[in-house]
Amino acid sequence: QVQLVQSGAEVKKPGASVKVSCKASGYSFATYGLSWVRQAPGQGLEWMGWISAYNPNTNYAQKLQGRVTMTTDTSTSTAYMELRSLRSDDTAVYYCAKGHNWNEPAFDYWGQGTLVTVSS
Amino acid sequence: QSVLTQPPSASGTPGQRVTISCSGSSSNIGSNTVSWYQQLPGTAPKLLIYNNNQRPSGVPDRFSGSKSGTSASLAISGLQSEDEADYYCAAWDDSLNGGVFGGGTKLTVL
Repeated sequence: QVQLVQSGAEVKKPGASVKVSCKASGYSFATYGLSWVRQAPGQGLEWMGWISAYNPNTNYAQKLQGRVTMTTDTSTSTAYMELRSLRSDDTAVYYCAKGHNWNEPAFDYWGQGTLVTVSS
Repeated sequence: QSVLTQPPSASGTPGQRVTISCSGSSSNIGSNTVSWYQQLPGTAPKLLIYNNNQRPSGVPDRFSGSKSGTSASLAISGLQSEDEADYYCAAWDDSLNGGVFGGGTKLTVL
């Protein structure tokens, strides 16, 4: 069965960087892209961006351009999301999610989420 | 505030039919498909509807989606206590060149 397993919770200081991993299994990793979605405490969902698993194509949310980098390692079927220059309002649960089309936020499988806390 | 507009709350009694609306614009709902998600407390969202009105396998047919112009709706019939959750709509936005979500609707089963 399809599974997306994410790395564990992180606590970071303002200005630092965080890198969250998402290991995929149960499907052909290179066939589909992966998106990242975050959710601040008590808030709604926010689309962060998408990365193809079979070429270097990415598409990042405008508000995160310059601070976020998404990468994949096809040898281990793992996707990564790095967010730099962290601020307190980056505190959120970060999810990776699998979809079928890069320009359609219809995600049929999600990771369990990774809590990133930014605090001095 | 969110690009897609949803009512913050909705409610119904067991067995009732409830609908949740999602309002957007020509750059998102008006020109792209809509998805709906259910999120139970402390869990990842679950895809309920994609391509406006399609259900993934395993989603009960009590859940249905529709779209007209720049608005979409999620209908839940035969409301059950386990339907109490947060519901989100989502679509692609051509102007932003990115995905957008509604602010979410908290459904209470009375």
